[in-house]
Amino acid sequence: AQRVTQPEKLLSVFKGAPVELKCNYSYSGSPELFWYVQYSRQRLQLLLRHISRESIKGFTADLNKGETSFHLKKPFAQEEDSAMYYCALSGEAGGTSYGKLTFGQGTILTVHP
Amino acid sequence: SQTIHQWPATLVQPVGSPLSLECTVEGTSNPNLYWYRQAAGRGLQLLFYSVGIGQISSEVPQNLSASRPQDRQFILSSKKLLLSDSGFYLCAWSWVWTRGSNYGYTFGSGTRLTVV
Repeated sequence: AQRVTQPEKLLSVFKGAPVELKCNYSYSGSPELFWYVQYSRQRLQLLLRHISRESIKGFTADLNKGETSFHLKKPFAQEEDSAMYYCALSGEAGGTSYGKLTFGQGTILTVHP
Repeated sequence: SQTIHQWPATLVQPVGSPLSLECTVEGTSNPNLYWYRQAAGRGLQLLFYSVGIGQISSEVPQNLSASRPQDRQFILSSKKLLLSDSGFYLCAWSWVWTRGSNYGYTFGSGTRLTVV
C-alpha cells in the first residue's frame, strides 16, 4: 500500500534561514507527488507538482526515487510562509490508485521574525 | 472559472443523529469528486471518490456513505453519527487525470463536525 510520511509535525525557523520540510513515501513504481499548503483561515491549495519541476513562492522539491523522498525546500524563509504543509502521492498512470491522493500527516511551519 | 462550495462550515450534532454534508462544483462538467476527513493529529484520509453520477467508491469501512445525485453534487451522509465521526471534512474536485496532466485537487473550505 502506498504511504506518505512527514516526520516533523512542527518546524520552526527564523526569517531568512533555509527551510526543508521532509517527505518520504512508500510506493513500488513511479508515483506522482505534490505539495499542498494551508495558510491560516484559507483553503488547502496546491503548492507544486513534481512533474512540472516548477518553483512556486521560492519553494522547490526534487523527487529522489533512490531515497523515496520529495523534500520541500526554500533557501530563505519568509514570515508569510508560516502554514501547514502536506505532501501527497498518487499512484502511476494506469494503476488502481491513479488520481487518488494519499496525504502525509502534515508539517506546521512557523517562521519567526 | 471553477469554484467549489461546501456547507455547512461548522456543525454540532448529537450521537445517533443523521448527517448530510453537501458539496457542489461550478464551472466544469464531469469532475472527479472526493471526500476526505482530517481527524485530530492525523493526516487527510480519503473516504470516498466518484468519477461520475451514481459512481461511488469507498476507501475505508465506516459509518458514512456518499452519493452523487447530479454531475456536480456530492453528498456525505450518515444515518446515525458516532463520536468517532468528529473531524474536519473536506470535499475536493479534479479534472479527469491523464498522464502528465495532473493538477491535483481543488479543495472546498471544509466542514468542522463535532459529535457530542
